[in-house]
Amino acid sequence: KAGVTQTPRYLIKTRGQQVTLSCSPISGHRSVSWYQQTPGQGLQFLFEYFSETQRNKGNFPGRFSGRQFSNSRSEMNVSTLELGDSALYLCASSLAHRVGLAEAFFGQGTRLTVV
Amino acid sequence: AQKITQTQPGMFVQEKEAVTLDCTYDTSDQSYGLFWYKQPSSGEMIFLIYQGSYDEQNATEGRYSLNFQKARKSANLVISASQLGDSAMYFCAMREGPYNQGGKLIFGQGTELSVKP
Repeated sequence: KAGVTQTPRYLIKTRGQQVTLSCSPISGHRSVSWYQQTPGQGLQFLFEYFSETQRNKGNFPGRFSGRQFSNSRSEMNVSTLELGDSALYLCASSLAHRVGLAEAFFGQGTRLTVV
Repeated sequence: AQKITQTQPGMFVQEKEAVTLDCTYDTSDQSYGLFWYKQPSSGEMIFLIYQGSYDEQNATEGRYSLNFQKARKSANLVISASQLGDSAMYFCAMREGPYNQGGKLIFGQGTELSVKP
């Protein structure tokens, strides 16, 4: 069974540009969550999508957006990149529709560097 | 607000010995889930173990066990018989949100574990 796949693994972008990151969840998983990891702030929740609907949102500016497709694949977009957006972006998928089944499985992440 | 606290920024353990990584949490919810993840230098977050707030027994997964003390709001990870490959960052996390809807994870700051040969 394939795990969570994130593409690309590494990205270098220039300040002011925009970027799109992709996440393919484990087959059958309908929930996809995104997290930003930086040395200063640690792991912070960005948003969660379930059945193509944003269900939870973290405390990030509107430059950060996402969407989920009917096949549960998700993308996140960051517009007008800032140096502080340099981070490891992690995607997690879970079944999230059975009580008691709560494990979230992560991809390898996309390391974004803004220069 | 829900919060996870890991008070050990770094720890050392001798190979083959057991080690306990501390985690305390704060929540007003009655229903919640607690997780431990391992993050090697490659960056991937590897799921280790899960404990539900209503689970009466401590969770175990191979060499990992979770010492769940609900009244003290602690969920310490115990790794038995440490191996060199256990050297990594370890994160404690709590699931916030409706129990059957995944929700979002709140993470602690992590503990860097180094296993000495």
